[in-house]
Amino acid sequence: SAVISQKPSRDICQRGTSLTIQCQVDSQVTMMFWYRQQPGQSLTLIATANQGSEATYESGFVIDKFPISRPNLTFSTLTVSNMSPEDSSIYLCSVPGIGDTQYFGPGTRLTVL
Amino acid sequence: QKEVEQNSGPLSVPEGAIASLNCTYSDRGSQSFFWYRQYSGKSPELIMFIYSNGDKEDGRFTAQLNKASQYVSLLIRDSQPSDSATYLCAAAGGGNKLTFGTGTQLKVEL
Repeated sequence: SAVISQKPSRDICQRGTSLTIQCQVDSQVTMMFWYRQQPGQSLTLIATANQGSEATYESGFVIDKFPISRPNLTFSTLTVSNMSPEDSSIYLCSVPGIGDTQYFGPGTRLTVL
Repeated sequence: QKEVEQNSGPLSVPEGAIASLNCTYSDRGSQSFFWYRQYSGKSPELIMFIYSNGDKEDGRFTAQLNKASQYVSLLIRDSQPSDSATYLCAAAGGGNKLTFGTGTQLKVEL
């Protein structure tokens, strides 16, 4: 499986600010995925990031709130904009493996005050 | 709305016993199914996947799939305290999109 890193691993932010999360993978992948895991909850897909095209957002998530960049086949960023305490979550990137398998990065734990 | 349902637990089993984790899914178009283990404060780790009806074994883990009943299960034999974690069931319907259940917390007691 791919080796995936995320930065930052955790952050505490003030309401109204933005945070950009980076995801780096050690091999080229066509798709990268961004998930949110709110406290005590399961994973919810935010968007799929494809290199060379706009990200595809899931219902309930919009580009203005969660802009995504995918400049190359090994890197992506997710920005959480104009944050509120409800955005406090773990944000995870993942990449595809064999078939429909996905492998997850270590996550970014975000607390918004 | 595609849903994956799991009992949140906690499921408590004694060390050495078989732990049985269950999952149902609503989308009959789902083609493949996954079990992830998530330790507290860590990211999910893929432990099993299954595509065909029947059983698939990997070491102490056995995944079972019954597409007619829309049911997936994970058996953990000889449970160890290190197996204590939350187990997430996920279903894929194509396009690499995974729908996750809310997870079952497993506690293996000494």
